[in-house]
Amino acid sequence: NAGVTQTPKFQVLKTGQSMTLQCAQDMNHEYMSWYRQDPGMGLRLIHYSVGAGITDQGEVPNGYNVSRSTTEDFPLRLLSAAPSQTSVYFCASSYLPLGAGNTIYFGEGSWLTVV
Amino acid sequence: GIQVEQSPPDLILQEGANSTLRCNFSDSVNNLQWFHQNPWGQLINLFYIPSGTKQNGRLSATTVATERYSLLYISSSQTTDSGVYFCAVEGQGGSEKLVFGKGTKLTVNP
Repeated sequence: NAGVTQTPKFQVLKTGQSMTLQCAQDMNHEYMSWYRQDPGMGLRLIHYSVGAGITDQGEVPNGYNVSRSTTEDFPLRLLSAAPSQTSVYFCASSYLPLGAGNTIYFGEGSWLTVV
Repeated sequence: GIQVEQSPPDLILQEGANSTLRCNFSDSVNNLQWFHQNPWGQLINLFYIPSGTKQNGRLSATTVATERYSLLYISSSQTTDSGVYFCAVEGQGGSEKLVFGKGTKLTVNP
């Protein structure tokens, strides 16, 4: 049981480049989400999904795209990277509803630097 | 949207001391969880506690929903308790959006 797997762990991008952060979970969770963590800012929700084919925006969605074609995978795409997107990115998953107290599992994080 | 404030932002303790971390939130919540992020960045769920009190070993948490705050108690702290503690809430209505506070950074010295 691998839990939530994020790749890559570290990445350096040049401004304007595109890339995809991968997230996969093997727990058959309906809920998946992406957060970014910046110093002193806590975790901020970028996008989330409550099932295959269903995605929605979080607090800071600009500059990011997502899709959910399968239950297992929830990739995060940066179409044209900007230095402001330098951050640590976390993927999370859970059974629904969150309000029922289902445990939220986080990946180990992806450190992204945009130069 | 719902606002979450945590205090104190930083806390330094000697091993064996007790501590209380606070989380204030601006509206009624459907869900409140406490997380610990260790110094290597790993995030672990500690408590689901939208109301009431729970205990797990040296850690306990209390949420007073009517007064919109939650407290995390750490007793007999150990160096392995170091890291950042986050409170996260989901507003009523089942939005499935967890809003995190900025965290309390705890350092436990030997």
